[in-house]
Amino acid sequence: SQKIEQNSEALNIQEGKTATLTCNYTNYSPAYLQWYRQDPGRGPVFLLLIRENEKEKRKERLKVTFDTTLKQSLFHITASQPADSATYLCALANNNAGNMLTFGGGTRLMVKP
Amino acid sequence: DVKVTQSSRYLVKRTGEKVFLECVQDMDHENMFWYRQDPGLGLRLIYFSYDVKMKEKGDIPEGYSVSREKKERFSLILESASTNQTSMYLCASNAGSNEKLFFGSGTQLSVL
Repeated sequence: SQKIEQNSEALNIQEGKTATLTCNYTNYSPAYLQWYRQDPGRGPVFLLLIRENEKEKRKERLKVTFDTTLKQSLFHITASQPADSATYLCALANNNAGNMLTFGGGTRLMVKP
Repeated sequence: DVKVTQSSRYLVKRTGEKVFLECVQDMDHENMFWYRQDPGLGLRLIYFSYDVKMKEKGDIPEGYSVSREKKERFSLILESASTNQTSMYLCASNAGSNEKLFFGSGTQLSVL
């Protein structure tokens, strides 16, 4: 069956460190993968999109990698700040179903001052 | 700023009631979506629409229907609400396949 797995346990890190979140998938052939941020009681907000032919994408302090052999994406926040504390969701769609985005369960990140 | 607006932040309904959740987007997007989000289960797609009057079932359409009479508006209908439909409902839209989603703030529905 198809699965998108993110670590359901919260990730606690110290301010200034790099946070690394993992998204693993099985039985998908995604054309692209997206990352979203969600704050409590709010809808998710888009952060980054990476395509299957891209290894890495950066935006300010954010970096995403995409390894279609390992079937894994890593999401990095460098120089983390308490304001980065939120739940981070990965989402992907199969090549032949580009509109049907499926989300992982999300990982909660807590950055302590 | 682009916007997806959901009509209610909180709703309390009784079992058996017919419930309408409304969503409006101001970005002239082709696609609109309804998800529900539950602790431990994440976001799950209920229905999506790729054009006016067009719809496709998502992963969990049972107990729900949708209506898209105008491009900017997408309604989710619970014909006869049940307690297992208590959840956070999120509407989203995008400009096309593989494009990023814009979400509304969500409606927390409680069915008693």
